[in-house]
Amino acid sequence: TQLLEQSPQFLSIQEGENLTVYCNSSSVFSSLQWYRQEPGEGPVLLVTVVTGGEVKKLKRLTFQFGDARKDSSLHITAAQPGDTGLYLCAGALYNFNKFYFGSGTKLNVKP
Amino acid sequence: GAVVSQHPSWVICKSGTSVKIECRSLDFQATTMFWYRQFPKQSLMLMATSNEGSKATYEQGVEKDKFLINHASLTLSTLTVTSAHPEDSSFYICSARDFSGGTTDTQYFGPGTRLTVL
Repeated sequence: TQLLEQSPQFLSIQEGENLTVYCNSSSVFSSLQWYRQEPGEGPVLLVTVVTGGEVKKLKRLTFQFGDARKDSSLHITAAQPGDTGLYLCAGALYNFNKFYFGSGTKLNVKP
Repeated sequence: GAVVSQHPSWVICKSGTSVKIECRSLDFQATTMFWYRQFPKQSLMLMATSNEGSKATYEQGVEKDKFLINHASLTLSTLTVTSAHPEDSSFYICSARDFSGGTTDTQYFGPGTRLTVL
C-alpha cells in the first residue's frame, strides 16, 4: 500500500464540468504539494500547502489541506481541455528527507 | 517558481555504454536533490536521494553500483547509468528541494530525460 492514496486514478469528463481529486493518508505531513504533468515533461508545481485547514485558489483550481494534515483535495471548476494531464500529490513527512507521491490522476477533459 | 534544468533531454545509446544525466538548480541552492524514474502512465518512483557533500541514499531495490549519483555542488547533481541495458530505458526525472523559505518545503522538477538503450 502507498503512503498517499490518490483517487480517482482516471477521470474523463466534458468541458465545463467540475471535478475533485483526493489524496489521503494515515500519516501527518509537514507540507503537501500538487503537481500537473504533461507527457514527456517534468511535473510542474501548482501549489504547496503547509497549514492544517488551509485553502488555496489558483484561478479555477481550489486546493485544501485537511485539518489534521493527513489529506488534501484538488477541485477544478468548469474544467477546460487545457486542464488535461496527470495530477500528482506529494507529501513531506516530518524528519524524513524525501517526498511521498500519490499514484496520480489521469484527467482527460473533452471539448 | 524555481527553475531546475536537466540535460540531456533525450539520449539513445548502445547496450553496455554509460550515460550521464545532469540536474541543475538555476536560481536556488539545493542541498538535496532527488532522482526519479517514471514508467508510462504511472506515477514517479523515487530511485535515490542525492545529498550535497555526502553519499546518496538509495531506495530499496535500486542498484547503487549501476546508478551512480554525485552531488558535488549545491546546484548540480549527476546520475550515471553504468553499463546500460534495454531494461534501463525509461524517463528519468530529477528534482531539487527548496527549503529556503523556512516554513515551505517544496521540490521543483527538471524537464526529464528520455533514455533509450538499444
